Amino acid sequence: ILNVEQSPQSLHVQEGDSTNFTCSFPSSNFYALHWYRWETAKSPEALFVMTLNGDEKKKGRISATLNTKEGYSYLYIKGSQPEDSATYLCAFLKGNKLVFGAGTILRVKS
Amino acid sequence: NAGVTQTPKFQVLKTGQSMTLQCAQDMNHEYMSWYRQDPGMGLRLIHYSVGAGITDQGEVPNGYNVSRSTTEDFPLRLLSAAPSQTSVYFCASSLTPRGRSQETQYFGPGTRLLVL
Repeated sequence: ILNVEQSPQSLHVQEGDSTNFTCSFPSSNFYALHWYRWETAKSPEALFVMTLNGDEKKKGRISATLNTKEGYSYLYIKGSQPEDSATYLCAFLKGNKLVFGAGTILRVKS
Repeated sequence: NAGVTQTPKFQVLKTGQSMTLQCAQDMNHEYMSWYRQDPGMGLRLIHYSVGAGITDQGEVPNGYNVSRSTTEDFPLRLLSAAPSQTSVYFCASSLTPRGRSQETQYFGPGTRLLVL
């Protein structure tokens, strides 16, 4: 993988469902992997910065894991709520550049 | 702290016109960057700076210039606007992008640019 890839592109779930997305990135020369939450008409807001292989981070119902050897990170949302609807971006630190994936759009129906 | 501020919020230009998008931060961050956001393409890095006097190109630098004369300000100049530059532009800053510190990027509110 040369750049950052996110899957799925979009996801529609019911309120209360748990969901997860994937971010794939180059596994060589790893420095950091960022996750951002981006609501429509707002600016992206940081969720996590992950730097160590095996890292697990948690913020409320949202958590993330990191595997730097195989080049992927998972973002989990437990018990999705309508206010979780947003685009979730991951970004890979490549030298001095933060390279973003295209994002996963999450829509939670009540 | 005001965080990261951007002006203007919205601008309409005619093809060939030039303009400067302003970005300022009051957090004493060394690293600043400009991104453009287009549908289905996430955020693409235009230019970035790791400190005053130091700038470098990102993924899509053509048609844009930057300078960093102070730590606080990082203006983005469109030299001769083209319809392909119609986009939403975000400025961001962080203390440093490198290392094992927990530094995230803080984004400004964005500038919506329409080039006719």
